[in-house]
Amino acid sequence: AQKITQTQPGMFVQEKEAVTLDCTYDTSDPSYGLFWYKQPSSGEMIFLIYQGSYDQQNATEGRYSLNFQKARKSANLVISASQLGDSAMYFCAMREGTSNTGKLIFGQGTTLQVKP
Amino acid sequence: GAGVSQSPSNKVTEKGKDVELRCDPISGHTALYWYRQRLGQGLEFLIYFQGNSAPDKSGLPSDRFSAERTGESVSTLTIQRTQQEDSAVYLCASSLGGGVSYEQYFGPGTRLTVT
Repeated sequence: AQKITQTQPGMFVQEKEAVTLDCTYDTSDPSYGLFWYKQPSSGEMIFLIYQGSYDQQNATEGRYSLNFQKARKSANLVISASQLGDSAMYFCAMREGTSNTGKLIFGQGTTLQVKP
Repeated sequence: GAGVSQSPSNKVTEKGKDVELRCDPISGHTALYWYRQRLGQGLEFLIYFQGNSAPDKSGLPSDRFSAERTGESVSTLTIQRTQQEDSAVYLCASSLGGGVSYEQYFGPGTRLTVT
């Protein structure tokens, strides 16, 4: 079963508008972390934002915020005031805490294109 | 400071040959990870090293894949008798610790093409 699901293979957004990238996850571990990474066409993986399962508030980092709905097991990324440089592939990932495995489980990604 | 570095950046090899990929983590990072990314796909976990603990090899796809790490330093991923399905970008990452909240910093990857 997919542990991380990103249902939007591709998204378009107009420059300066906000966009939401969807991510749902599946785990029975009470302790977990959720991450979003950006991968531009250059291929590097850039960390954007982190949300812990016990965090009471939604994480924010500059123009990035995470809409964490624990009961729904969703962790959507919101990018405000989109810029042309935001065009990239975006990956949602999860790390389970008690299994001690260390691995990040990634979704299939969403390609975001920002239109001028 | 210096980030995670990987070498070579590109490797083309013939089917059946062995290849060795290298990763230099960020200094002081105790945890090191290898992932594989096939074209247009998400990342697949391969192996995880944390300090002196036994590595988590649960993601290695076959016994042709192996990895080593020298202390908390360099790691090498070896693929023996390469197959065409091994063609992918191999990404290395490191983190300050092994806890769930630690951000993983990724290297630029090695693009492996098996002909």
